[in-house]
Parts: sequence; C-alpha cells; structure tokens
Amino acid sequence: QQPVQSPQAVILREGEDAVINCSSSKALYSVHWYRQKHGEAPVFLMILLKGGEQMRHEKISASFNEKKQQSSLYLTASQLSYSGTYFCGTEIESGAGSYQLTFGKGTKLSVIP
Amino acid sequence: SAVISQKPSRDICQRGTSLTIQCQVDSQVTMMFWYRQQPGQSLTLIATANQGSEATYESGFVIDKFPISRPNLTFSTLTVSNMSPEDSSIYLCSVRLRGRRETQYFGPGTRLLVL
Repeated sequence: QQPVQSPQAVILREGEDAVINCSSSKALYSVHWYRQKHGEAPVFLMILLKGGEQMRHEKISASFNEKKQQSSLYLTASQLSYSGTYFCGTEIESGAGSYQLTFGKGTKLSVIP
Repeated sequence: SAVISQKPSRDICQRGTSLTIQCQVDSQVTMMFWYRQQPGQSLTLIATANQGSEATYESGFVIDKFPISRPNLTFSTLTVSNMSPEDSSIYLCSVRLRGRRETQYFGPGTRLLVL
C-alpha cells in the first residue's frame, strides 16, 4: 500500500522547474506533501483532499487526480532552499476515517547554483 | 501549527537496555502517532497512541517491544525495549490538531544509536 514516488532523485539548477509524482493503487482520501532536510524532521508543505482544489505554498503547488489516484508536486523557479527529500503521505479512503498516513520512499531534490 | 518537543533528542544505548522517549505538544491534538525512520529511508508508522487505552500497532510492531502510553491529550511516551543494533533509527512523534484533522505535524525526532 506504500505509494510510489518518482523520480527517486533529481538535480536542478537554480530557477529550473521540477515535478514530483506520487501514485497509489488504493482509492485515496488525501495526499500530504512534506520536505525533509538532512538531520531535520519532515516539514508539512500542503495537503490535497479528495474533491479539493489545487494547493499552493509559495512557488510550490500540487494537484490531485482522483481518477488516477495520483498527486503531483510542482516546484517552480527552484531556489537553493528547496533542496531536501520530498515525501508524499497518502490516506486511504475509509468510511470510518483512516487518519493514518503511508509514506512513499521519497524524492531527493538537489538544487545547485 | 503545533510546537512539538521530544526528549531526548539523541542517545547512545547498550544492547539489551530500554529507552523511553517523551513527546509533548503545546496544543490539544486529536491524534498522536509514533514513526520510525531508518537512515536514508522513508517514514514507517509504529503505532497510534490512544488516550486512556492501548495503542494501535501496525503490522510488524508489538506492544512488548514498543510500549506506548498517552495519559492525556498533549503527552505520549514510546519505549524501545530490549534494544538491539537494528533499533538504531530516528523515532518521530507526529500529531493532528484538534479542529484541523487534515494537517499532520512532526516533532524534531529522537536519534537512537544502539551499540
């Protein structure tokens, strides 16, 4: 049930754009995106809810395709501070409410000058 | 957001001993979770800490190895028992805030090395 993230790693130059994908084989209620820098805890970026709108956090946005059970994270005009490992966490749709996040293996993003 | 603190922040322990990790939140939360993150790996849910009742453990994790307490809405402990080097990992407390079900935050983590 672990969601699949792609790519596993990506290297960008400052100002370039990137897309990180997250897909699940299960019907999802929500998708959560986090960024984790080395030696630090994961930091919440945004959440995509079933039936919800595309979200945005500064120059980072995300979408959720309910038909495909896929979410994509879009990083626009990347900055050095965007470097880190990005995790998607998925919550499976459940009538009783799941409340549990299952995380993908992560995408390591490196932004270089 | 919530301010989550964990104690200790790191520790080095001998095999066969136990370590209790504390998690304190400054807001009332609905859900508290404990995760493990092995070096370079993803986040794995150990259990959901339930107030006033036994924790709900995920497959592969058992109460005898990882006893959890949650005496109130803002505090929980995780004990790693009879440790072995394979328990070396980062242990993270995570919470969902009351009134904001959707948002889940992580504490700073406890870095454990077992020799």
